[in-house]
Amino acid sequence: GAVVSQHPSRVICKSGTSVKIECRSLDFQATTMFWYRQFPKQSLMLMATSNEGSKATYEQGVEKDKFLINHASLTLSTLTVTSAHPEDSSFYICSASVGQSTDYGYTFGSGTRLTVV
Amino acid sequence: RKEVEQDPGPFNVPEGATVAFNCTYSNSASQSFFWYRQDCRKEPKLLMSVYSSGNEDGRFTAQLNRASQYISLLIRDSKLSDSATYLCVVATSGTYKYIFGTGTRLKVLA
Repeated sequence: GAVVSQHPSRVICKSGTSVKIECRSLDFQATTMFWYRQFPKQSLMLMATSNEGSKATYEQGVEKDKFLINHASLTLSTLTVTSAHPEDSSFYICSASVGQSTDYGYTFGSGTRLTVV
Repeated sequence: RKEVEQDPGPFNVPEGATVAFNCTYSNSASQSFFWYRQDCRKEPKLLMSVYSSGNEDGRFTAQLNRASQYISLLIRDSKLSDSATYLCVVATSGTYKYIFGTGTRLKVLA
């Protein structure tokens, strides 16, 4: 089945530094990937939709200058958390669709647990 | 009102029991529905899609009621390994956006 590889799985960084998270589709091409954030005991919240070769679409309330998304190829999307602060500590998950619509269901990466100290 | 609502639980049931979860959604234009399973500190994994006619996969049965805007998941003969959080996911075709419920936590007890 479709596999989405995400790394790192866990990262601890100092406040004020930047962290890059990678998401790769291993056996399919993903023109669209999605980035979610999940705080403890809360639902996954869509942060942005990453489109290959074009600018990402950010959800309301998500700072595009803080969460930089690059989708330079059909198999790789990256999320960079710039100038991270403790409130950015969360579980970040990417996903991609095998098909061309939501009907097929999305495959998720294994997630990145970010802790900012 | 949240777009997708679920009872957070936890539902504590003995092994072998039958348990059902409901999920309501507010957007009548929603077209795609899924149940995902999420284990603690892991990524969500697709359990099953939910079709208008209802569908079954082994011990799991999903149903959709468009008139009342809810979907359900029934688990028969619960196993210890079924312990997880079950996420209701709703999407509108053409938007590529998933809306997640907060999840219902299930604990199957020996």
